[in-house]
Amino acid sequence: ETGVTQSPTHLIKTRGQQVTLRCSSQSGHNTVSWYQQALGQGPQFIFQYYREEENGRGNFPPRFSGLQFPNYSSELNVNALELDDSALYLCASSPPQGQGYGYTFGSGTRLTVV
Amino acid sequence: GQQLNQSPQSMFIQEGEDVSMNCTSSSIFNTWLWYKQEPGEGPVLLIALYKAGELTSNGRLTAQFGITRKDSFLNISASIPSDVGIYFCAGRTNAGGTSYGKLTFGQGTILTVHP
Repeated sequence: ETGVTQSPTHLIKTRGQQVTLRCSSQSGHNTVSWYQQALGQGPQFIFQYYREEENGRGNFPPRFSGLQFPNYSSELNVNALELDDSALYLCASSPPQGQGYGYTFGSGTRLTVV
Repeated sequence: GQQLNQSPQSMFIQEGEDVSMNCTSSSIFNTWLWYKQEPGEGPVLLIALYKAGELTSNGRLTAQFGITRKDSFLNISASIPSDVGIYFCAGRTNAGGTSYGKLTFGQGTILTVHP
């Protein structure tokens, strides 16, 4: 059983640029959530995707957007990057409701904005 | 954004000692979770708690879901060097729709174990 995989592992971008991060969910999991973890902090919920639609969002601006594909994989897009967007971005997948507890996290993408 | 209040922020202990950390919130959660994160990795689930008052063990780890549903604690007995890492509590509300799946995390407890 493969876990959650994220790519790339590290990324350096310039302020104002756009970035796309990718996540492959664990086998059998149909829901994907994205979290931002600043240095020295706990992860903060960005949004969740289920059935290819966003169905929950944290306190993040619209320049953070996402997609979920029919194979349940997901992308996180961030436009107009700001220095404060530098963080570890974590993807977590979870199984269909009623099929046990999920929330398997990937190892994350370390984004540095300069 | 909202975060849970987790304490202590860091702990330096000797191998073999017991460890206790806790988490409090102003909001009620239906599920409490404890994760461990090591450098370069994502959080790994240690224990999940689903009912108020529940006490659950996983090896040397024991966690409890507070009666008020606003707090939880994690104990590690007889610590070993590989227990080193950052421990996070997280709360989840089970409401359907937009709340499902959202985890609210604490700030983390950094654990250092001296051999």
